[in-house]
Formats: sequence, structure tokens, C-alpha cells
Amino acid sequence: SQTIHQWPATLVQPVGSPLSLECTVEGTSNPNLYWYRQAAGRGLQLLFYSVGIGQISSEVPQNLSASRPQDRQFILSSKKLLLSDSGFYLCAWTSGRDTGELFFGEGSRLTVL
Amino acid sequence: GQNIDQPTEMTATEGAIVQINCTYQTSGFNGLFWYQQHAGEAPTFLSYNVLDGLEEKGRFSSFLSRSKGYSYLLLKELQMKDSASYLCAPMDSNYQLIWGAGTKLIIKP
Repeated sequence: SQTIHQWPATLVQPVGSPLSLECTVEGTSNPNLYWYRQAAGRGLQLLFYSVGIGQISSEVPQNLSASRPQDRQFILSSKKLLLSDSGFYLCAWTSGRDTGELFFGEGSRLTVL
Repeated sequence: GQNIDQPTEMTATEGAIVQINCTYQTSGFNGLFWYQQHAGEAPTFLSYNVLDGLEEKGRFSSFLSRSKGYSYLLLKELQMKDSASYLCAPMDSNYQLIWGAGTKLIIKP
């Protein structure tokens, strides 16, 4: 069966510090991978998605970046965090572009102080 | 633009029935999804509608009217564990999910 795991689950970072969130998927190959952010009381905001190794599409211009160094690994990064980067970050995968059933990781709660 | 509208919060009684409505405007349409999200957790898939009509799955049913840009999620025999947020998410012409802010459902004994 397929599983998705992301880490860390919780982190508190000062403004201006770097960020790295990691996500891995097991039990499937060539998944579509996504990074979402959910601010309190808001809908999920798509940040990045990837249909293959090295292929990253950015939905929202900001100080975040994403990389896919391996087929089942997706990394969200920032060189300098802003207060507005606080939120609940979710990694997700689907088996195909037109498959909307997303399978989410456990989520990473980021607080920037 | 693309827009999702659903009530912010609803309250219902254990054992009762509740209907959560969602209206949407998207650039193209490739079906509509409902997800459940418990506080502090990731969303989980509930249902998918691409054709008009009612889809039933146990205690949960979902309805779609494409011409009206309208969907609802019907929850029967409510249980305390159904307390969660329910997210309406239509899929646009680029196969991207457009997410609403969700409806927080509070179940009272």
C-alpha cells in the first residue's frame, strides 16, 4: 500500500531563518506531488506541484522554493522566513494529473516568531 | 475569478441529519470533491461527483448540480466523531483543486 510521510511535524523558527520540510511517498512510482499551505480559517493554498523529477510548477510567487531530487521525494525550502510564512503545510500526492483524490501527509505546523 | 462559498460554521445534534452547502465558480469543471479535516490533522477524502445527482456512501451523501454550480454534503445519523471541518473543492479545467475555507461542523450531544 502507498504511504506518505512528511517531517518535521512541528517547528518554531525565528524570522529570517531557513526552512526545510521534507516529504516522501512509498509504494508508488511517478506520483504527482504537491505542497499546500493552510492559514488559520483559510482554504488550502497550492504552493508547488510536480509531475516528475526536477519538474516544479510554482503557483504563488513568494520566498519559498521546492525541489524534487528523487521520484518520491519533495522538499519545501526557504532561505529567509517571514512572519507571514506561519501556517500548516501539507504535502500530498496523486497517481495522475486528472485524479483529484489527494492523499495527504500528516502536516507540518510552522510558527515564525 | 474562481470562488467557493460555504458556511463558516454549523451546529447539529448527535443522531440528527445535517446538510452542508457549497456554491462554486471555476474556470472549467472536472468534478467536485469533499474532504473531511479534523482539527490539527490533514484532510481525508470523502466523495467525488462529476455528474449531476446524488452519490451515497454509507452515512454520507454528496449531491451535484453543474448547471447551478452547487453541491451539498449530507451527513446522517451524526456521531460526535463527525465534528470536523468539511472542505468543498471543485476541480478546474487545469485539473487543479480549488479549495474553500471549509465548514466547521460542531456536533452537540
